Amino acid sequence: NAGVTQTPKFQVLKTGQSMTLQCAQDMNHEYMSWYRQDPGMGLRLIHYSVGAGITDQGEVPNGYNVSRSTTEDFPLRLLSAAPSQTSVYFCASSYPRLAGGRNEQFFGPGTRLTVL
Amino acid sequence: AQKVTQAQTEISVVEKEDVTLDCVYETRDTTYYLFWYKQPPSGELVFLIRRNSFDEQNEISGRYSWNFQKSTSSFNFTITASQVVDSAVYFCALSEAYDDMRFGAGTRLTVKP
Repeated sequence: NAGVTQTPKFQVLKTGQSMTLQCAQDMNHEYMSWYRQDPGMGLRLIHYSVGAGITDQGEVPNGYNVSRSTTEDFPLRLLSAAPSQTSVYFCASSYPRLAGGRNEQFFGPGTRLTVL
Repeated sequence: AQKVTQAQTEISVVEKEDVTLDCVYETRDTTYYLFWYKQPPSGELVFLIRRNSFDEQNEISGRYSWNFQKSTSSFNFTITASQVVDSAVYFCALSEAYDDMRFGAGTRLTVKP
């Protein structure tokens, strides 16, 4: 099991460029999410998905798009990069809620993005 | 709205000291879940514990222990006899529902030899 994988690990963009951060998991998790981590602010939820074909916005969705065509993949698209999007991005996945309740999330290694 | 406060931004201790990391949460739901994650200098996020709102029993795992008190809306984390390898940023998180997990700002713990 590779767990949750993210590519690339590092990326530098110029303002206005677009790009896609890739995320994949091989644990057959239905729930996947994207967070950004900024100094002093913890992790903030950008978008999430409870299954293929279903996505929803989190706390800070502006400037980002997602889609979920398969259970395994959950790419995050930056439409027109801005310096404010300089951050570390984490993808996570978890089992759906069962009788035991909300399960912990497994995180990928992160992508460090710099927008100049 | 759900909210998690980790008032301690940074803590520095000397090896073998005990240290407690505070976590205070706000929620309107009666069913919710609390988590602690560790982020070592390498950057990955490591799950430590999950607790649901109906289980107020404290938990101990080796040198780690967690004190959940609904009366004060706190879920504090204690490391006994700290070690240099405990140096990391620790995040407390709250989930009210299936779809959303909110994190605190984190506490950076430095354990000096």
